[in-house]
Amino acid sequence: DVKVTQSSRYLVKRTGEKVFLECVQDMDHENMFWYRQDPGLGLRLIYFSYDVKMKEKGDIPEGYSVSREKKERFSLILESASTNQTSMYLCASSQDREDSRGEKLFFGSGTQLSVL
Amino acid sequence: SQQGEEDPQALSIQEGENATMNCSYKTSINNLQWYRQNSGRGLVHLILIRSNEREKHSGRLRVTLDTSKKSSSLLITASRAADTASYFCATEGGTPIYNQGGKLIFGQGTELSVKP
Repeated sequence: DVKVTQSSRYLVKRTGEKVFLECVQDMDHENMFWYRQDPGLGLRLIYFSYDVKMKEKGDIPEGYSVSREKKERFSLILESASTNQTSMYLCASSQDREDSRGEKLFFGSGTQLSVL
Repeated sequence: SQQGEEDPQALSIQEGENATMNCSYKTSINNLQWYRQNSGRGLVHLILIRSNEREKHSGRLRVTLDTSKKSSSLLITASRAADTASYFCATEGGTPIYNQGGKLIFGQGTELSVKP
C-alpha cells in the first residue's frame, strides 16, 4: 500500500516562527499536494507539485511556500506563522496519468498545527 | 474555491439502515470521487466515478452521478458502527490538462454517525 508520511502529528508554534511541515511518499508518485482543513470550510488546496522542483499555487497560497527537491518529499513552509494558520494540514500524493482522467489521492494522517 | 457541497451536513442512523449523502457541484467535471475521514485522521479514497458513467458499485457503496443536475449521491447499505466518519465528495474538473491529474476540489463533508 502507498504510504504518505507526515513528520509530525501535532505541532505547537509561536507567532512569527518559521514552520516546516514535511511529507514523504513511498510510491514514486509524480503529484503531491498540500491541503488545509478547517471546520465548516472543508479542505482547501494550498500548493501542489507535478514534478521535482515544480510548484503551482492552489486556492489559498498566501503565507505559505513549498519545496520539492526530491520526488518523494514535499515540504510546506510557513515563513512567519500567524494564529490564522492554526489548522489541520494534510499532504497527499497521486500517480500521474497521460490522459488526466483522474487518479485517487493518497493522504497522510495530517498535522494539527497550533500557532499561539 | 469550493466546488462540491454535501447534503446533509450531519446524518445519524441506526446500524443496519442505509445512509445516503448527496453532493452538488458547479462546473463541468472529469470525474467525481468520494473519500472518508475518520476523526482527526487523513482521508481515504472510496470510489471514483467518471463523467461518462451514471452509477458505480463497490461492496456496500453505490455512487450515482447526474451530470445534467451536477449532482452525485453516495449510498452506504446496511451501515455499521464502523462506518461512522465524515464523507467528502471531490471533483476534478473541466478541460483535461496533461499532467495535472489529481487536482481535486473538496466539499465540506457529511458527518455520518451510525449507532449500534
